[in-house]
Amino acid sequence: QVQLVQSGAEVKKPGASVKVSCKASGYTFTNYFMHWVRQAPGQGLEWMGLINPSNGNTVFAPKFQGRVTLTRDTSTSTFYLEVSRLRSEDTAVYFCARDLLYDGDYSYWYFDLWGRGTLVTVSS
Amino acid sequence: QSALTQPASVSGSPGQSITISCTGTSSDVGSHNLVSWYQQYPGQVPKVIIYEVDKRPSGVSNRFSGSKSGNRASLTISGLQADDEADYYCCSYAGGSSGVFGGGTKVTVL
Repeated sequence: QVQLVQSGAEVKKPGASVKVSCKASGYTFTNYFMHWVRQAPGQGLEWMGLINPSNGNTVFAPKFQGRVTLTRDTSTSTFYLEVSRLRSEDTAVYFCARDLLYDGDYSYWYFDLWGRGTLVTVSS
Repeated sequence: QSALTQPASVSGSPGQSITISCTGTSSDVGSHNLVSWYQQYPGQVPKVIIYEVDKRPSGVSNRFSGSKSGNRASLTISGLQADDEADYYCCSYAGGSSGVFGGGTKVTVL
């Protein structure tokens, strides 16, 4: 079954870090970029960054550069998003979403499969 | 890298056609034919309904269509139905392997 299974909800204090996982199954792991998108309560979608599963190369939206880390574990087909120095504005649902690769490092830039999302709540 | 501009809300009666605009810049929408649209119901995961400006994934109704002119992309929903009531988001490649979403449009069926 083709799916992305994300880890469960987290509650963190301001200044802490959180690590969210996204396990891919049912398709060839290295054929798709993995993107991370977040959605604050009642707000829109926000693109955070992507990782190339073949080489681990990452790209981030400017506002997340330096505070977000994307990694992957090829042995378990699992992707990870880590956000450090959390603040209340980081309270959101975090989605992983795949995007078909071609020619090794290019994609069609659309997300045909999404995880169900992980709610991260930042509160003192 | 600013969010693409979408109207906050659009409404229409059943059977009518509505169009949602998505305005970017010459660095994103205007430079690449990599615009996609997503439909999201409350509490649910977004679903792609248009990719590469005007292509529909298998299984998506042909009542949904996309287009682009200059820095503006558009999503048209024809024959509006009650279950089209949802939030819609555009997304564009913005160069340098980065991308950007629009702020979202709430569609109301009157």
